[in-house]
Amino acid sequence: GAVVSQHPSRVICKSGTSVKIECRSLDFQATTMFWYRQFPKQSLMLMATSNEGSKATYEQGVEKDKFLINHASLTLSTLTVTSAHPEDSSFYICSAWGWGGTDTQYFGPGTRLTVL
Amino acid sequence: QKEVEQNSGPLSVPEGAIASLNCTYSDRVSQSFFWYRQYSGKSPELIMSIYSNGDKEDGRFTAQLNKASQYVSLLIRDSQPSDSATYLCAVRTDQGGSEKLVFGKGTKLTVNP
Repeated sequence: GAVVSQHPSRVICKSGTSVKIECRSLDFQATTMFWYRQFPKQSLMLMATSNEGSKATYEQGVEKDKFLINHASLTLSTLTVTSAHPEDSSFYICSAWGWGGTDTQYFGPGTRLTVL
Repeated sequence: QKEVEQNSGPLSVPEGAIASLNCTYSDRVSQSFFWYRQYSGKSPELIMSIYSNGDKEDGRFTAQLNKASQYVSLLIRDSQPSDSATYLCAVRTDQGGSEKLVFGKGTKLTVNP
C-alpha cells in the first residue's frame, strides 16, 4: 500500500503558540490529502480537505483561520494550529488517496498534540 | 448528510470465535466500501475494501456487501487477542462535489484469551 508519513509524532507546546504538522506521501503523488482530528475515545472527525495548489476545503464548524492548511507540492501538506489552546490538544491524522487513482485512503501515523 | 452507522459495542468474543461487525450506510450511489482497524493511540489501518455485492475473503477476514440493503459487514474468523481494536466502516461518497470517506463511529472489539 501507499505510505504516508507525519512529523512530528508528538508535540507539546505552551498555550498561545503555533504548531506546524507535516504530512508527506512517500512513494506517490497526492493531489488531495485530508486532515482529521480525534479526541480520546471519540470517533475520527474530518477537519478539512487539502488540495494541491488551491485553497483547502474546511468542514462545517472548523475555523479556517485557526487551522491553516498549505498543500504546496504533490507530496506535502501542512497543518498549522495557530494560537493553540488546551482544548486543541488532540490526535491529528492526515490521509491521502493512494497512487494511480486508487480509491483507497491511506493514513499517516498521526501527531499527538498536547497544549499546556 | 450522508451517514454511516455502526454498533458502538463493545463487542466481546472468546479467542477462536467468529466476530461479526456490521455497518449500514445512507448513500445509495456509493460504490466503494472499506474496513479499517484502529488500535488505541494509533491511526487507522486498512483491512479490507469491497466494491461488489457478495463476499470477499482475505485470510481470516471476510467482508460482505449488500447494496440493496445498504449493508456492509466484516467477519473475523478464529479471533485472536491481537484483533482487539476499534473497527471503522468507511464509505466513499461524493459530498459537495468532492470525494471523501465517511466513517462510522467504530465498533470496539475485545477478544478474550
